[in-house]
Amino acid sequence: GAGVSQSPSNKVTEKGKDVELRCDPISGHTALYWYRQSLGQGLEFLIYFQGNSAPDKSGLPSDRFSAERTGGSVSTLTIQRTQQEDSAVYLCASSLAVSSGSLYEQYFGPGTRLTVT
Amino acid sequence: AQKITQTQPGMFVQEKEAVTLDCTYDTSDPSYGLFWYKQPSSGEMIFLIYQGSYDQQNATEGRYSLNFQKARKSANLVISASQLGDSAMYFCAMRDALEMEYGNKLVFGAGTILRVKS
Repeated sequence: GAGVSQSPSNKVTEKGKDVELRCDPISGHTALYWYRQSLGQGLEFLIYFQGNSAPDKSGLPSDRFSAERTGGSVSTLTIQRTQQEDSAVYLCASSLAVSSGSLYEQYFGPGTRLTVT
Repeated sequence: AQKITQTQPGMFVQEKEAVTLDCTYDTSDPSYGLFWYKQPSSGEMIFLIYQGSYDQQNATEGRYSLNFQKARKSANLVISASQLGDSAMYFCAMRDALEMEYGNKLVFGAGTILRVKS
């Protein structure tokens, strides 16, 4: 079946503009994750959704970042008033429902490369 | 404190030989899972192998095996019979009960770049 898809694959924006990044998870996966990967770095967790709710948003770096998920499927990560330090690859992942003791692997999308000029 | 440590920024291996990528972790939770992901130059994260803290045997998946030494808190990835297509960045990651309570996230190491030479 289809994997996790993300759009756009590349986004170049001017400092101060808002951007929206989209993630379409694997069908049936109720857990959805956003990560950020800066150049040459490991992955940094941003936010996690279980269904449409985000139990923890503490990974979001500032209040310029927000995310929503509707219908338990597609998620949108929005960055307002972008800054140059927001430049990174934004990766989305999904997995089956997670509960204590279950450790299903996360399946990642191809990422969106964001460049803020 | 850093939860996942990958001490090898880069590794070289000759084609057809085996290579071990190091990973040590830190957690006080008895229940946790360890994951390895491969990230080729295309950027996609590819799941390779998983080891649960209560698993009695080391995980294996094809040419990948995980050398799990619980007392030493290490979970090294062993790739046998290296192929040119194995050249990529490799990430070790962990999820423990604490992470499941506070965001259910994976915590990743900094990664190791592997280059396979012909």
